[in-house]
Amino acid sequence: QVQLQESGPGLVKPSETLSLTCTVSGVSISSAQHYWNWVRQSAEKGLEWIGRIYPNGVTDYNPSLKSRVTMSLDTSKNQFSLSLYSVTAADTAVYYCARDAGWVGTATWFDPWGQGTLVIVSS
Amino acid sequence: DIVMTQSPLSLPVTPGEPASISCRSSQSLLYSNGYNYLDWYLQKPGQSPQLLIYLGSNRASGVPDRFSGSGSGTDFTLKISRVEAEDVGIYYCMHTLQIPFTFGQGTKLEIQ
Repeated sequence: QVQLQESGPGLVKPSETLSLTCTVSGVSISSAQHYWNWVRQSAEKGLEWIGRIYPNGVTDYNPSLKSRVTMSLDTSKNQFSLSLYSVTAADTAVYYCARDAGWVGTATWFDPWGQGTLVIVSS
Repeated sequence: DIVMTQSPLSLPVTPGEPASISCRSSQSLLYSNGYNYLDWYLQKPGQSPQLLIYLGSNRASGVPDRFSGSGSGTDFTLKISRVEAEDVGIYYCMHTLQIPFTFGQGTKLEIQ
């Protein structure tokens, strides 16, 4: 079955860049016609959708984060990545990657999710 | 952004009893194709969210039939016909009608 696993530093300094990778197993991200998503969860904001990337590299970002976010694919490693620039304490959260399992028009639903990785922004 | 509002935020339930969670959106989630772009997730303690219901009323694979989703437009309901101990956790609704997708605040179901 499809499985996702997040990885990356658990501690990032303010003003630096948060970089996370999601490794996908059970399906090729380049051939599957699915978007690949990033979602974060914090006590202050709850669940927040960050953005998504399609196998052809097309991206959609949450407008609230768009100026600081970049997503990319590494098809050779079957991974996709998130970069969040100029982080502050407000970016402290558990970050999840998730597959878009939707197959009806533009509808989307996330299944499965990775287990999540906690990122703390602190000096 | 579309605002998703859930109620109640806390839901104590006796095992075997039914439970109901409401989710309201600030604009209609009914798309021109006739589908409601509304999903439900359950986050069990210490776990990541898992899909329960998609397109308002379709149970995801492996989800027990005691879970059901209903509603259309701006008002949606998740019902559990008979709550079991394994159903504890936080339930979230999420819309996918437009960017950005947004979630409700969550409803914490606990066994009393």
